[in-house]
Amino acid sequence: DTGVSQDPRHKITKRGQNVTFRCDPISEHNRLYWYRQTLGQGPEFLTYFQNEAQLEKSRLLSDRFSAERPKGSFSTLEIQRTEQGDSAMYLCASSLGGLQEKLFFGSGTQLSVL
Amino acid sequence: SQELEQSPQSLIVQEGKNLTINCTSSKTLYGLYWYKQKYGEGLIFLMMLQKGGEEKSHEKITAKLDEKKQQSSLHITASQPSHAGIYLCGADGGNTPLVFGKGTRLSVIA
Repeated sequence: DTGVSQDPRHKITKRGQNVTFRCDPISEHNRLYWYRQTLGQGPEFLTYFQNEAQLEKSRLLSDRFSAERPKGSFSTLEIQRTEQGDSAMYLCASSLGGLQEKLFFGSGTQLSVL
Repeated sequence: SQELEQSPQSLIVQEGKNLTINCTSSKTLYGLYWYKQKYGEGLIFLMMLQKGGEEKSHEKITAKLDEKKQQSSLHITASQPSHAGIYLCGADGGNTPLVFGKGTRLSVIA
């Protein structure tokens, strides 16, 4: 049973650089979510997809952030011109879709912007 | 927007002791989820509660939902070092992505 996979696990970058993270959800899951978590806080919703359609984006997702799920399978989250405030754990989750369904989370990508 | 408040923020208990973590919602709860997170890792699903008065148990962990009070509690009996971690409650506000509390950090000491 392969769970949600995220790559890389850790990323260190310099301010101003672009970074891209990848998430592979559980294969039969239609919904894919991105959350961001900073130290001492709970995960904050960023965006989610139903198959390849991006259905909702949080106000936290500035125009430097872009997410895609081109074939309704894996997803990428790109951050352009990174800032120190972008340092966080980026979590991906997937679910079968529909109401009141539990989310399965990946191990996250820890981003450090120097 | 819906907000979840967890209490306490952190907790240190001696191994073998019982403990309770609370989660209070600012809005009506359509579903309440409990997750556990090890430091630097992803979230592991524990339990989901959907109906007022519902109570679920898994091993030594019991969760209850008080829909009228818009509140849930998580109770651990006879705590063990393996219970240490961050416990997060998440709320389903009705066809919206889960909103999470800030978490309760549990340490279990021998």
